[in-house]
Amino acid sequence: SYELTQSPSVSVSPGQTASVTCSGDELGDNYVCWYQQKPGQSPVLLIYQDTKRPAGIPERFSGSNSGNTATLTISGTQVMDEADYYCQAWDGNTVVFGGGTRLTVL
Amino acid sequence: EVQLVESGGGLVQPGGSLRLSCAASGFTFSSHWMSWVRQAPGKGLEWVANIKEHGTEKYYVDSVKGRFSISRDNAKNSLHLQMNSLRAEDTAVYYCARRYCSGGTCYPHLDYWGQGTLVTVSS
Repeated sequence: SYELTQSPSVSVSPGQTASVTCSGDELGDNYVCWYQQKPGQSPVLLIYQDTKRPAGIPERFSGSNSGNTATLTISGTQVMDEADYYCQAWDGNTVVFGGGTRLTVL
Repeated sequence: EVQLVESGGGLVQPGGSLRLSCAASGFTFSSHWMSWVRQAPGKGLEWVANIKEHGTEKYYVDSVKGRFSISRDNAKNSLHLQMNSLRAEDTAVYYCARRYCSGGTCYPHLDYWGQGTLVTVSS
């Protein structure tokens, strides 16, 4: 079965740029999306179809996907961005999630 | 406004059964695939099952095949997950989520999620 791999944790200082990566075999051939989940809350769609932002998602969130790696970039990271981030793709008719990355802003 | 509201969670003994429901509103329910996704305490997201718009095709993660059954009632805008032979490892918050579809094309993201319902399997 298809697997997506994420680093368990990333730390960033406020105002700096954070990068969260997601790797999978030939991942660039698939659309990737990203979700943000804060403690006690449901996941929220951040990025879809590799690079698109849903309405209401700040411009500081951006995505890319090429080769075997998809990247979520948070520019000018804010304290409120501290959360878990999950990448997701499809494998045929099934959904695959990465293991999640905890972003710490300190 | 799109809303997904799960219900039916609770405490159940190993080997028992539970039926989860998800009430959908604010969109044309019959036009979208629907999914169940779960999250064990302190763990990441795990996809559980998908069902196509009219319920003709269903897909499951291997760990629940033969035990869980996803279904939908488009007349009542509701999604269900029948869970049988429950195990301790099924303990999780269960979310229903909508796969975005438009003009007959379904896209690879889950754009709306419910608030989740907690299932605890324990003796």
